[in-house]
Amino acid sequence: DTAVSQTPKYLVTQMGNDKSIKCEQNLGHDTMYWYKQDSKKFLKIMFSYNNKELIINETVPNRFSPKSPDKAHLNLHINSLELGDSAVYFCASSQGGGLQETQYFGPGTRLLVL
Amino acid sequence: EDQVTQSPEALRLQEGESSSLNCSYTVSGLRGLFWYRQDPGKGPEFLFTLYSAGEEKEKERLKATLTKKESFLHITAPKPEDSATYLCAVRLSGAGSYQLTFGKGTKLSVIP
Repeated sequence: DTAVSQTPKYLVTQMGNDKSIKCEQNLGHDTMYWYKQDSKKFLKIMFSYNNKELIINETVPNRFSPKSPDKAHLNLHINSLELGDSAVYFCASSQGGGLQETQYFGPGTRLLVL
Repeated sequence: EDQVTQSPEALRLQEGESSSLNCSYTVSGLRGLFWYRQDPGKGPEFLFTLYSAGEEKEKERLKATLTKKESFLHITAPKPEDSATYLCAVRLSGAGSYQLTFGKGTKLSVIP
């Protein structure tokens, strides 16, 4: 039973293409996140959704657009891919923002833009 | 600016050689400090949450402690399977309470 799953695991594409990454969690959580981990392994928040509403939108190019069709899913669509978008993208989920919140991470999607 | 700094960046230990990893933070309104373990090619795996100075948590060979300015992850008699990158993250109060701010991690290698 995978708690937080992402597809695809690997994504190799050309500059200028549009691609999507999907995330699903079966933990019953109401908050989901997208993080980017760069080549130096630094993990940084991009977006967060709580009950399908956007609550965090860090300084991310507007080529990145998250979509949450329901509480269990948070997808990331990237337009006009650039070389600098190459990174590992992690999805995570948690139960709200209370003191007991713990974020659980997916296995990551390794994106390589050529 | 809020900041999380981990040291050392990398640490090599002989099997059985105990040591500590450090996470120092300069944030206001700390609502939790988290330790994660990340194996190569995988997502971060949750280890501990600490909420207040003086708190300690233990799991097998790992023990996490928290002061007002830093946290330590003590590793006692490590084994090769403890080799991983250990990430520290903080959660703030107020508008930042939904996000975690991560340090850059400490890559631990335990040599048999």
